[in-house]
Amino acid sequence: KQEVTQIPAALSVPEGENLVLNCSFTDSAIYNLQWFRQDPGKGLTSLLLIQSSQREQTSGRLNASLDKSSGRSTLYIAASQPGDSATYLCAVRIEGSNYKLTFGKGTLLTVNP
Amino acid sequence: DTGVSQDPRHKITKRGQNVTFRCDPISEHNRLYWYRQTLGQGPEFLTYFQNEAQLEKSRLLSDRFSAERPKGSFSTLEIQRTEQGDSAMYLCASSRPDSMAFFGQGTRLTVV
Repeated sequence: KQEVTQIPAALSVPEGENLVLNCSFTDSAIYNLQWFRQDPGKGLTSLLLIQSSQREQTSGRLNASLDKSSGRSTLYIAASQPGDSATYLCAVRIEGSNYKLTFGKGTLLTVNP
Repeated sequence: DTGVSQDPRHKITKRGQNVTFRCDPISEHNRLYWYRQTLGQGPEFLTYFQNEAQLEKSRLLSDRFSAERPKGSFSTLEIQRTEQGDSAMYLCASSRPDSMAFFGQGTRLTVV
């Protein structure tokens, strides 16, 4: 059974700092990995999708990397802003189940002005 | 492309009542998913539709839960005889094959 772990559970940083969020998964046979952002009481906003054959994806100040063999992904946020404060979730889609996402519990990020 | 729309956003119901939620996916997305999220947890998969066909149901989906997607467009999720343990955020998502999943704002269900 695929398990997804996100460390740390919570992170507080001053504005302007670069930061890294970590995601690990137990079964490396994944189809793709997706990062989401969730504001309190809201739905999920899709950030980045990395296919299993890719090593990284970039969107603006966000960069996600994938090391499939070691079962790890990182989300790098450059020059953090208070508006980045949210819970960040990673989810994997395993091979053979090309539609079901298995989520971690998320990292709660607080960027202080 | 107006995004995934869910209705209602919030629902408070008494235990034992039936509730129904609606999801309108992004147009031309043939894949539609329902997830459930409780406080402090990541979303958990409930069910998946490809067009109008329901192809998988999680074991989390007891026989009190039913989902439909008539004509492969909008979807409904009904919970019969609600229990306090059903209180959660119910999230709908849609996608094209092999591409990013887009989620709606969710329906927050509170069973009192």
